[in-house]
Amino acid sequence: LAKTTQPISMDSYEGQEVNITCSHNNIATNDYITWYQQFPSQGPRFIIQGYKTKVTNEVASLFIPADRKSSTLSLPRVSLSDTAVYYCLVGTGGFKTIFGAGTRLFVKA
Amino acid sequence: DAGVTQSPTHLIKTRGQQVTLRCSPKSGHDTVSWYQQALGQGPQFIFQYYEEEERQRGNFPDRFSGHQFPNYSSELNVNALLLGDSALYLCASSLEGTGGFEVWETQYFGPGTRLLVL
Repeated sequence: LAKTTQPISMDSYEGQEVNITCSHNNIATNDYITWYQQFPSQGPRFIIQGYKTKVTNEVASLFIPADRKSSTLSLPRVSLSDTAVYYCLVGTGGFKTIFGAGTRLFVKA
Repeated sequence: DAGVTQSPTHLIKTRGQQVTLRCSPKSGHDTVSWYQQALGQGPQFIFQYYEEEERQRGNFPDRFSGHQFPNYSSELNVNALLLGDSALYLCASSLEGTGGFEVWETQYFGPGTRLLVL
């Protein structure tokens, strides 16, 4: 099972770009990389998913190098409401997908 | 488009009791997964239901059981509650993929049920 490693916490200021990197050295060929956001006392919310190279949606970008052993979630121009826990997941769904402790992002004014 | 709903939102039980939590999946979804999230930790996978059967199970004892109904809604039952069962219980729904190489079913989570065992 692919295990992920993320920074425990990060601080940023409003308007800055935030990059959260996740390491997943033993990612399998069929594994996808998915990022979720979670606010206190709420369920995780899907942000973005990718398999290789770069994926962009209206919320974030996901950069995946060719070896796929890491990935970087990029949040452009964060606001106070982006303060949350961000989880990097690697897998194909179900029990094969493991949530780690996540990265606690704190955005300051 | 209704998202994933869970009931109740909060629940207080005492040790040894039994509890049933309920989940209605997002419209169009047929697969339901349950997670336990202790305070300050990431969600831990309990099990997944598809076509009314438990398809996958995480590292949880048999005290944790579930059911999926023909309308795809699901229940999580926990017997002989322990203090350590206090957590946020999350339900996530997805649409069963083809199982092929390029498919990963994105899971949509409900708001959770906060269970406190005294």
